[in-house]
Amino acid sequence: QVQLVQSGPEVKKPGTSVKVSCKASGLTFSTSAVQWVRQARGQRLEWIGWIVLGSDKTNYAQRFQERVTISRDMSTSTAYMELSSLTSDDTAVYYCAADDMTTMFWGQGTLVTVS
Amino acid sequence: QLVLTQSPSASASLGASVKLTCTLSSGHSSYAIAWHQQQPEKGPQFLMKLNPDGSHIKGDGIPDRFSGSSSGAERYLTISRLHSDDDADYYCQTWGTGPRVFGGGTKLAVL
Repeated sequence: QVQLVQSGPEVKKPGTSVKVSCKASGLTFSTSAVQWVRQARGQRLEWIGWIVLGSDKTNYAQRFQERVTISRDMSTSTAYMELSSLTSDDTAVYYCAADDMTTMFWGQGTLVTVS
Repeated sequence: QLVLTQSPSASASLGASVKLTCTLSSGHSSYAIAWHQQQPEKGPQFLMKLNPDGSHIKGDGIPDRFSGSSSGAERYLTISRLHSDDDADYYCQTWGTGPRVFGGGTKLAVL
């Protein structure tokens, strides 16, 4: 059974960075991809980017291109999303989701508050 | 530019069926998509991957009441025998090796 467990809530000051982790179990890490998505309160889902875990290839949404880095650690089956130059507009729940090109699993979400 | 368009809202009665639509922008009708459900105050849940030919693969534990179909640039999610907990937001998302764009979501009210 696939499980994605994300790191805990964060409170950050404007201008700083945040790094959220997503640890996978029950997933064939090497043949999967992990995407990061965020949702501000009452708003729609917003795609940030993804990483193909085996090849380390990444693809970022244009609006985050300059300040997001998605990475992974194969030894611990963990993916990371780091967002820099935070503003209050980045306050949101951040989700990871992993897929193997046929099915997808979501993490529980991580609340990031910028204040 | 790749855009997915969804109606902002829909409603249907308990026990009835509803068909939600996601429209791919011009030139992108060959894309597969994913459908996700988000119940109030919960995280998203993957429902299915839906291919351009209408074939679909559902997520773990998704009931048979949920089905998908395709026609040209349109991707559909049909929910039969509506339950009260189907009252939720439904998002479509592109599925592929490029950017994975979300539609704006449809808020489904089960009356």
